[in-house]
Amino acid sequence: GAVVSQHPSRVICKSGTSVKIECRSLDFQATTMFWYRQFPKQSLMLMATSNEGSKATYEQGVEKDKFLINHASLTLSTLTVTSAHPEDSSFYICSAGTRNPYSNQPQHFGDGTRLSIL
Amino acid sequence: KNEVEQSPQNLTAQEGEFITINCSYSVGISALHWLQQHPGGGIVSLFMLSSGKKKHGRLIATINIQEKHSSLHITASHPRDSAVYICAGNFGNEKLTFGTGTRLTIIP
Repeated sequence: GAVVSQHPSRVICKSGTSVKIECRSLDFQATTMFWYRQFPKQSLMLMATSNEGSKATYEQGVEKDKFLINHASLTLSTLTVTSAHPEDSSFYICSAGTRNPYSNQPQHFGDGTRLSIL
Repeated sequence: KNEVEQSPQNLTAQEGEFITINCSYSVGISALHWLQQHPGGGIVSLFMLSSGKKKHGRLIATINIQEKHSSLHITASHPRDSAVYICAGNFGNEKLTFGTGTRLTIIP
Protein backbone atom coordinates (compact mmCIF):
# COMPACT_ATOMS: atom_id res chain seq x y z
CA GLY A 1 0.00 0.00 0.00
CA ALA A 2 0.88 3.66 -0.08
CA VAL A 3 3.71 4.61 2.21
CA VAL A 4 4.61 7.94 3.76
CA SER A 5 8.02 8.30 5.33
CA GLN A 6 8.58 10.91 8.03
CA HIS A 7 11.99 11.86 9.43
CA PRO A 8 13.35 12.23 11.96
CA SER A 9 11.28 10.10 14.34
CA ARG A 10 12.64 11.87 17.39
CA VAL A 11 14.47 15.14 17.98
CA ILE A 12 15.89 16.51 21.21
CA CYS A 13 17.49 19.92 20.98
CA LYS A 14 18.19 23.14 22.80
CA SER A 15 15.87 26.10 22.93
CA GLY A 16 16.41 28.46 20.00
CA THR A 17 17.29 25.75 17.52
CA SER A 18 15.38 25.41 14.26
CA VAL A 19 14.21 21.90 13.48
CA LYS A 20 13.25 20.55 10.07
CA ILE A 21 10.89 17.59 9.67
CA GLU A 22 10.52 15.83 6.33
CA CYS A 23 7.51 13.99 4.98
CA ARG A 24 7.92 11.93 1.83
CA SER A 25 5.42 9.94 -0.19
CA LEU A 26 7.33 6.91 -1.39
CA ASP A 27 5.15 5.35 -4.04
CA PHE A 28 2.61 7.95 -5.06
CA GLN A 29 2.38 11.62 -5.90
CA ALA A 30 1.03 13.60 -3.00
CA THR A 31 -0.65 16.74 -4.28
CA THR A 32 -1.73 17.60 -0.75
CA MET A 33 0.05 17.11 2.54
CA PHE A 34 -1.30 17.84 5.98
CA TRP A 35 0.69 18.68 9.08
CA TYR A 36 -0.73 17.87 12.49
CA ARG A 37 0.30 18.42 16.05
CA GLN A 38 -0.74 16.15 18.89
CA PHE A 39 -0.41 16.73 22.62
CA PRO A 40 -0.39 13.74 24.99
CA LYS A 41 -3.73 11.92 25.12
CA GLN A 42 -5.33 14.48 22.85
CA SER A 43 -6.62 14.30 19.33
CA LEU A 44 -4.74 15.42 16.25
CA MET A 45 -4.83 19.15 15.55
CA LEU A 46 -4.44 20.26 11.96
CA MET A 47 -1.77 22.92 11.67
CA ALA A 48 -1.66 23.51 7.95
CA THR A 49 -2.43 22.12 4.53
CA SER A 50 0.27 22.27 1.90
CA ASN A 51 -0.29 21.91 -1.80
CA GLU A 52 2.56 21.24 -4.18
CA GLY A 53 3.84 24.40 -5.76
CA SER A 54 1.77 26.84 -3.72
CA LYS A 55 1.78 28.42 -0.30
CA ALA A 56 0.51 26.44 2.63
CA THR A 57 -2.84 27.22 4.19
CA TYR A 58 -2.52 27.60 7.95
CA GLU A 59 -5.24 26.95 10.49
CA GLN A 60 -6.36 29.74 12.76
CA GLY A 61 -3.93 30.32 15.59
CA VAL A 62 -0.93 28.69 13.89
CA GLU A 63 1.95 31.11 13.31
CA LYS A 64 3.15 30.73 9.75
CA ASP A 65 6.46 32.43 10.52
CA LYS A 66 7.03 29.95 13.34
CA PHE A 67 6.07 26.84 11.43
CA LEU A 68 7.46 27.10 7.92
CA ILE A 69 6.05 24.64 5.42
CA ASN A 70 7.51 23.89 2.03
CA HIS A 71 5.99 21.53 -0.52
CA ALA A 72 8.43 21.85 -3.37
CA SER A 73 7.71 18.54 -5.09
CA LEU A 74 4.95 15.97 -5.36
CA THR A 75 6.81 13.64 -3.02
CA LEU A 76 8.24 15.93 -0.35
CA SER A 77 6.91 18.41 2.17
CA THR A 78 8.93 19.87 5.04
CA LEU A 79 7.92 21.53 8.28
CA THR A 80 10.51 23.74 9.94
CA VAL A 81 9.95 24.80 13.53
CA THR A 82 11.94 27.99 13.76
CA SER A 83 13.64 29.10 16.97
CA ALA A 84 11.97 26.30 18.87
CA HIS A 85 11.04 26.75 22.53
CA PRO A 86 9.96 24.22 25.17
CA GLU A 87 6.29 24.96 24.47
CA ASP A 88 6.84 23.68 20.92
CA SER A 89 7.61 20.24 22.30
CA SER A 90 4.99 17.94 20.88
CA PHE A 91 4.30 15.08 18.49
CA TYR A 92 4.16 16.24 14.87
CA ILE A 93 2.71 13.99 12.19
CA CYS A 94 2.13 14.42 8.49
CA SER A 95 -0.28 12.82 6.11
CA ALA A 96 -0.41 12.80 2.35
CA GLY A 97 -3.21 12.49 -0.12
CA THR A 98 -3.95 12.78 -3.78
CA ARG A 99 -6.42 15.47 -4.61
CA ASN A 100 -9.50 14.22 -6.36
CA PRO A 101 -12.28 16.75 -6.82
CA TYR A 102 -14.88 14.02 -7.32
CA SER A 103 -14.34 11.95 -4.24
CA ASN A 104 -12.50 11.87 -0.96
CA GLN A 105 -9.31 9.90 -0.87
CA PRO A 106 -7.68 8.06 2.02
CA GLN A 107 -4.93 9.91 3.78
CA HIS A 108 -1.67 8.10 4.38
CA PHE A 109 0.12 9.01 7.58
CA GLY A 110 3.78 9.17 8.49
CA ASP A 111 5.04 7.66 11.74
CA GLY A 112 5.38 11.05 13.38
CA THR A 113 8.18 13.07 14.95
CA ARG A 114 8.48 13.51 18.69
CA LEU A 115 10.07 16.90 19.29
CA SER A 116 11.54 17.73 22.69
CA ILE A 117 12.99 21.20 23.28
CA LEU A 118 15.18 21.55 26.35
CA LYS B 1 -20.36 22.94 12.84
CA ASN B 2 -18.61 19.75 11.77
CA GLU B 3 -18.48 17.35 14.69
CA VAL B 4 -17.36 13.80 15.25
CA GLU B 5 -17.96 12.07 18.56
CA GLN B 6 -16.66 8.72 19.68
CA SER B 7 -17.49 6.30 22.45
CA PRO B 8 -16.27 4.85 24.63
CA GLN B 9 -13.16 6.87 25.48
CA ASN B 10 -11.50 3.86 27.05
CA LEU B 11 -12.22 0.19 26.57
CA THR B 12 -10.56 -2.78 28.26
CA ALA B 13 -11.46 -6.31 27.23
CA GLN B 14 -10.20 -9.86 27.47
CA GLU B 15 -8.47 -11.50 24.57
CA GLY B 16 -11.00 -13.07 22.23
CA GLU B 17 -13.84 -10.68 22.99
CA PHE B 18 -15.84 -8.96 20.26
CA ILE B 19 -15.13 -5.22 20.31
CA THR B 20 -17.35 -2.37 19.15
CA ILE B 21 -16.34 1.27 18.97
CA ASN B 22 -18.95 3.83 18.03
CA CYS B 23 -18.80 7.10 16.15
CA SER B 24 -21.53 9.66 15.53
CA TYR B 25 -21.21 12.71 13.34
CA SER B 26 -23.02 15.84 12.27
CA VAL B 27 -24.68 16.33 8.91
CA GLY B 28 -22.66 16.97 5.79
CA ILE B 29 -20.13 14.18 6.00
CA SER B 30 -18.83 12.94 2.66
CA ALA B 31 -16.55 10.18 3.94
CA LEU B 32 -15.83 8.54 7.29
CA HIS B 33 -12.40 7.25 8.22
CA TRP B 34 -11.28 4.81 10.88
CA LEU B 35 -7.64 5.18 11.94
CA GLN B 36 -5.45 3.21 14.31
CA GLN B 37 -2.72 4.92 16.33
CA HIS B 38 -0.14 2.70 17.99
CA PRO B 39 1.69 3.59 21.24
CA GLY B 40 4.66 4.83 19.25
CA GLY B 41 2.42 7.39 17.57
CA GLY B 42 2.27 6.13 14.00
CA ILE B 43 -1.16 6.16 12.40
CA VAL B 44 -2.58 3.57 10.04
CA SER B 45 -5.63 4.21 7.93
CA LEU B 46 -7.96 1.24 8.45
CA PHE B 47 -11.04 2.14 6.46
CA MET B 48 -12.60 4.93 4.48
CA LEU B 49 -16.30 4.52 3.81
CA SER B 50 -19.29 6.55 2.74
CA SER B 51 -21.92 3.83 2.81
CA GLY B 52 -22.50 0.22 3.79
CA LYS B 53 -19.87 -2.00 5.27
CA LYS B 54 -16.24 -2.90 4.75
CA LYS B 55 -14.25 -5.82 6.10
CA HIS B 56 -10.53 -6.41 6.38
CA GLY B 57 -9.42 -9.48 8.26
CA ARG B 58 -10.88 -9.31 11.76
CA LEU B 59 -11.93 -5.70 11.37
CA ILE B 60 -15.34 -4.60 10.16
CA ALA B 61 -16.55 -1.02 9.66
CA THR B 62 -20.15 -0.06 9.09
CA ILE B 63 -21.87 3.23 8.47
CA ASN B 64 -25.55 4.19 8.70
CA ILE B 65 -26.11 7.39 6.78
CA GLN B 66 -29.66 7.95 8.07
CA GLU B 67 -28.59 7.63 11.69
CA LYS B 68 -25.27 9.46 11.13
CA HIS B 69 -23.46 6.67 12.89
CA SER B 70 -20.52 4.38 12.23
CA SER B 71 -19.12 1.43 14.12
CA LEU B 72 -15.79 -0.33 14.10
CA HIS B 73 -15.87 -3.97 15.14
CA ILE B 74 -12.98 -6.24 16.00
CA THR B 75 -13.64 -9.97 16.12
CA ALA B 76 -11.52 -12.38 18.17
CA SER B 77 -9.58 -9.49 19.72
CA HIS B 78 -5.90 -9.92 20.45
CA PRO B 79 -3.44 -7.98 22.63
CA ARG B 80 -1.79 -6.62 19.47
CA ASP B 81 -5.06 -4.84 18.71
CA SER B 82 -4.36 -2.58 21.70
CA ALA B 83 -4.15 0.95 20.30
CA VAL B 84 -6.09 4.18 20.02
CA TYR B 85 -8.81 4.01 17.38
CA ILE B 86 -9.82 7.31 15.84
CA CYS B 87 -12.90 8.13 13.84
CA ALA B 88 -12.55 11.06 11.45
CA GLY B 89 -14.74 12.65 8.80
CA ASN B 90 -14.44 14.61 5.60
CA PHE B 91 -17.08 17.31 5.44
CA GLY B 92 -17.04 18.20 1.78
CA ASN B 93 -13.32 18.87 1.57
CA GLU B 94 -9.98 17.18 2.13
CA LYS B 95 -9.58 18.16 5.76
CA LEU B 96 -10.34 15.61 8.43
CA THR B 97 -12.34 16.37 11.56
CA PHE B 98 -11.22 13.94 14.26
CA GLY B 99 -13.01 12.28 17.11
CA THR B 100 -11.25 12.17 20.46
CA GLY B 101 -10.24 8.54 20.03
CA THR B 102 -10.93 5.31 21.88
CA ARG B 103 -8.09 3.76 23.85
CA LEU B 104 -8.46 -0.01 23.51
CA THR B 105 -6.58 -2.40 25.78
CA ILE B 106 -6.86 -6.14 25.21
CA ILE B 107 -5.72 -8.24 28.15
CA PRO B 108 -4.20 -11.66 27.45
